[in-house]
Formats: sequence, structure tokens, C-alpha cells
Amino acid sequence: QVQLVQSGAEVKKPGSSVKVSCKASGGTFSSYAISWVRQAPGQGLEWMGRIIPILGIANYAQKFQGRVTITADKSTSTAYMELSSLRSEDTAVYYCAREGEGCDYWGQGTLVTVSS
Amino acid sequence: DIVMTQTPLSSPVTLGQPASISCRSSQSLVHSDGNTYLSWLQQRPGQPPRLLIYKISNRFSGVPDRFSGSGAGTDFTLKISRVEAEDVGVYYCMQATQFPRPLTFGGGTKVEIK
Repeated sequence: QVQLVQSGAEVKKPGSSVKVSCKASGGTFSSYAISWVRQAPGQGLEWMGRIIPILGIANYAQKFQGRVTITADKSTSTAYMELSSLRSEDTAVYYCAREGEGCDYWGQGTLVTVSS
Repeated sequence: DIVMTQTPLSSPVTLGQPASISCRSSQSLVHSDGNTYLSWLQQRPGQPPRLLIYKISNRFSGVPDRFSGSGAGTDFTLKISRVEAEDVGVYYCMQATQFPRPLTFGGGTKVEIK
């Protein structure tokens, strides 16, 4: 059974950065893209970007270009999402998801709170 | 990017009755490989999203057969044949046809019990 386990909740100051991890188990990590999707309080789902671990190639939503970096470590089957220049509007739950058949497996979510 | 529009925003349903959610895309979701990468996700309160349906009508592992998907091109529907209490939550359509371009999601439809 595929599982994606994310790192714990974070509280950050405006202007700082956050790095969230997503560790995969039970499947072939490198073969599938891992996407990052966020959900602001009471809002819908917003795609931020993805990485294809076997290629080491990432692409990002235009909205986050220059502020987000997605990486993957094949040796530990872990994907990372780093978001910089944080502002209050970045307060959200951040999810990783495997792009198999659709987004077939999701992490449990990581709450990032940006507050002074 | 492809825009996904869902209706209704909210669907109050009596237990045991059917529910239907529509999703329309701003352009055809038919990929050059002949597949249509339209999925449906369920998000129960306080939970991460869960895949229900992929490629229009294929139920994901463990999904009850009261959930079904249909449609083609730009118009798609999710149906729940008999709503149960555990079906309460928000449902999203999602397209992945433009890979590696952005995934896009509908705005969500809240299913609640009358």
C-alpha cells in the first residue's frame, strides 16, 4: 500500500521560508510525479507544482514561480517543497500527492501558519 | 490553463437519495493519446482529498459502486446513487490532461444531508 507521510505543522514569520517533506513508501517513488497542492482555510485546492523524481525535473504554477522550489531525494523516496518570502496569505494546509491514476495517493497534509 | 467549473456549489441530499455533480472544462480534456484525464476527488471534513474516479469513469481501489462518473469532451458528471452519511464532504473534479502543464481543480461541491 502506497503511503505519503508529510512533516509536521510549522509556524513561520512573514518573509521567512518553510520546507515541507513528503516521504513515500510502498510503491515505486521515482516513476511517478509528485505534486504539491495547497488549501487555504475554507477554500478549494490549488496546484503549486510537481517534480518527476526519475528525471529530477520540476515545473511550477505561474503564481508561485520564483518563490517555490520542489526537489526530490530518490535515495530516501522523499519529496520536498520549499516556499519563500512567506506572507499571511500563505497560511494553508499543504499536501503532496502522487500523480498515478489521477492524484491517487495523498499525504496527510501539513499546516503552515504565517504570523508575526 | 484549463478552467474547471463545478455546479452546484452545495447539494443538500436526503439519506438514501441520489446526488449529481456537474463539472465543465474550458476546453476539451481529450489527450492526444485518446484518454481523458478527468478525475473526481472526495474530501471529508478534516481529511485530505481522496481519489474516487479517474479517467472519467474508473472507480479507484476501494471506492463503493454507488459512485459513478460519466461524460466526455468538456462535460462530466459524478453521481452518487444512494447517499450515505459517510458521503458528506466536498467533491472536486480535477483535470490532468495537459501534463506536464498545471493540474487544475473545480471549485468544489459540498454534499450535505438535509
